[in-house]
Amino acid sequence: SQKIEQNSEALNIQEGKTATLTCNYTNYSPAYLQWYRQDPGRGPVFLLLIRENEKEKRKERLKVTFDTTLKQSLFHITASQPADSATYLCALGDDKIIFGKGTRLHILP
Amino acid sequence: GAGVSQSPRYKVAKRGQDVALRCDPISGHVSLFWYQQALGQGPEFLTYFQNEAQLDKSGLPSDRFFAERPEGSVSTLKIQRTQQEDSAVYLCASSPGRPVTGELFFGEGSRLTVL
Repeated sequence: SQKIEQNSEALNIQEGKTATLTCNYTNYSPAYLQWYRQDPGRGPVFLLLIRENEKEKRKERLKVTFDTTLKQSLFHITASQPADSATYLCALGDDKIIFGKGTRLHILP
Repeated sequence: GAGVSQSPRYKVAKRGQDVALRCDPISGHVSLFWYQQALGQGPEFLTYFQNEAQLDKSGLPSDRFFAERPEGSVSTLKIQRTQQEDSAVYLCASSPGRPVTGELFFGEGSRLTVL
């Protein structure tokens, strides 16, 4: 069955550094992949979508890469800030969208 | 409306009670999803509608779970004879077209606690 794996442990990053989160998937060849942010007690909020023919996508301090050979996406936050602390979810699928368990990111001041 | 609206935000039910959770998607959105999210976990897919058609219900955990979207707008997730393991946040999301065309817009969720 289709599986998405994200770092299950929390990631602690010093303010100003680059945070890198990993999303690996198996038994699937998605046409695109999405990243969402979720704060405690809130619904997920869309950040970026990257298609299979795009190697990299950027939005302000965010950068996503998509390697369909490795079946992996990397999500980078540059110049990280304490306000970036949240859980980040990877999602893929064409109609049935499935999510990973998410990685909790803590940016330390 | 401005966003996806879910009600109730919080529901406490006694084991064995039936509950109904409502989702008002963004007006005009074609696709609607329901997810179940346990504490510390990611959203688990339950079911997906395109307009009024339920295209995938493979994630519904048992026949006690039922979802409908009769007019292609508002959707209701019904859980019959609730069990303690049903305690979770139930998230609804909508999308303007097929999800492949873009993002999902989520509501704030309905937190169900079964005692």
